[in-house]
Amino acid sequence: GESVGLHLPTLSVQEGDNSIINCAYSNSASDYFIWYKQESGKGPQFIIDIRSNMDKRQGQRVTVLLNKTVKHLSLQIAATQPGDSAVYFCAEGDTGFQKLVFGTGTRLLVSP
Amino acid sequence: DAMVIQNPRYQVTQFGKPVTLSCSQTLNHNVMYWYQQKSSQAPKLLFHYYDKDFNNEADTPDNFQSRRPNTSFCFLDIRSPGLGDAAMYLCATTPTASTDTQYFGPGTRLTVL
Repeated sequence: GESVGLHLPTLSVQEGDNSIINCAYSNSASDYFIWYKQESGKGPQFIIDIRSNMDKRQGQRVTVLLNKTVKHLSLQIAATQPGDSAVYFCAEGDTGFQKLVFGTGTRLLVSP
Repeated sequence: DAMVIQNPRYQVTQFGKPVTLSCSQTLNHNVMYWYQQKSSQAPKLLFHYYDKDFNNEADTPDNFQSRRPNTSFCFLDIRSPGLGDAAMYLCATTPTASTDTQYFGPGTRLTVL
């Protein structure tokens, strides 16, 4: 079946560093990608999304990059803060079908 | 203000005792989802409703059922909870099939004794 996976299960950074969380996807038909942040005991929180007709999208302190050639997605967090510590999930979807496939998640640990 | 509300936040049940989890949304979204999430794992889709149309995932056990009496509410019924059903249960919504951002509720943590 189709799958979305992450290369690094845990990423440890210092406060103020830039963080990069990576995600590989396998379904070339996916045309929508999304990043969620999940803090312990809470539901996933939308961070940023991108459609397949774009290769970069920026939000507040976050940037998502999409490389369709190698089926790779990344989330960049600028000036990482302790409050950014959480598990980050990428997910891919098909705009016509409404079902997201989640990646396995990366835990981001930010040290002061 | 909370947009996707799940009650209760924590639920304890006994092995084999039916339990119902609820989700409500103030967004008037057409699509509602139920996910199961176990510790350190990604959310796993159980089923979803597009309006009143129910869509079950192929690997969702028969022990899990769902009801959507109206646009705002959706229920997850676990008929005979087993120890393996202990998990976080997440509800999510999205406006229509052409819009993909899913908004999640805070989840219900289910413990099975």
